[in-house]
Amino acid sequence: DAMVIQNPRYQVTQFGKPVTLSCSQTLNHNVMYWYQQKSSQAPKLLFHYYDKDFNNEADTPDNFQSRRPNTSFCFLDIRSPGLGDAAMYLCATSRVTEGDEQYFGPGTRLTVT
Amino acid sequence: GIQVEQSPPDLILQEGANSTLRCNFSDSVNNLQWFHQNPWGQLINLFYIPSGTKQNGRLSATTVATERYSLLYISSSQTTDSGVYFCAVLSRDDKIIFGKGTRLHILP
Repeated sequence: DAMVIQNPRYQVTQFGKPVTLSCSQTLNHNVMYWYQQKSSQAPKLLFHYYDKDFNNEADTPDNFQSRRPNTSFCFLDIRSPGLGDAAMYLCATSRVTEGDEQYFGPGTRLTVT
Repeated sequence: GIQVEQSPPDLILQEGANSTLRCNFSDSVNNLQWFHQNPWGQLINLFYIPSGTKQNGRLSATTVATERYSLLYISSSQTTDSGVYFCAVLSRDDKIIFGKGTRLHILP
């Protein structure tokens, strides 16, 4: 089945130790998104790629970076995780434009110790 | 920027009951989507519904774009319907905004 896959599902990292979360898709969608969701809150968009064009939200901290080496894969890099970065990180795709229906992966739950 | 408000914030129902969840938005939108977030955190697509009415089994949704609201109807609730329901809109300036969600508990 075509889908959005996130690895790992659970990630534990130490304060200040860089961590990378990955997302892959078999949908061949043009747009890929990264969201951060903290407990009992709504998902918050961090950034998205339209093909290779990177679009950063204005309030996304510099600590968060992203790479999209090809259509299928997108990575979220947290350069120096703080305790406040503990959250669920959700990857999503949409087919052609940012206005299309979004499909989400299962998420990666990040713990910072 | 655009405001997205969902009501009620919490809802507790007995199995078999019907419910209506509401999403109001403060400005015109280019699209609207309803999601169910299950207990494991995954967001499941329910409806992509910028306008009109759609039905899928026990669930249906209606968006009245001119009046800036959308409704999600759940009939004959089951315990597996429990979780958080989010609406998300794409604003006219291409911002994706989620509402704060409605937390639904279906009691057996």
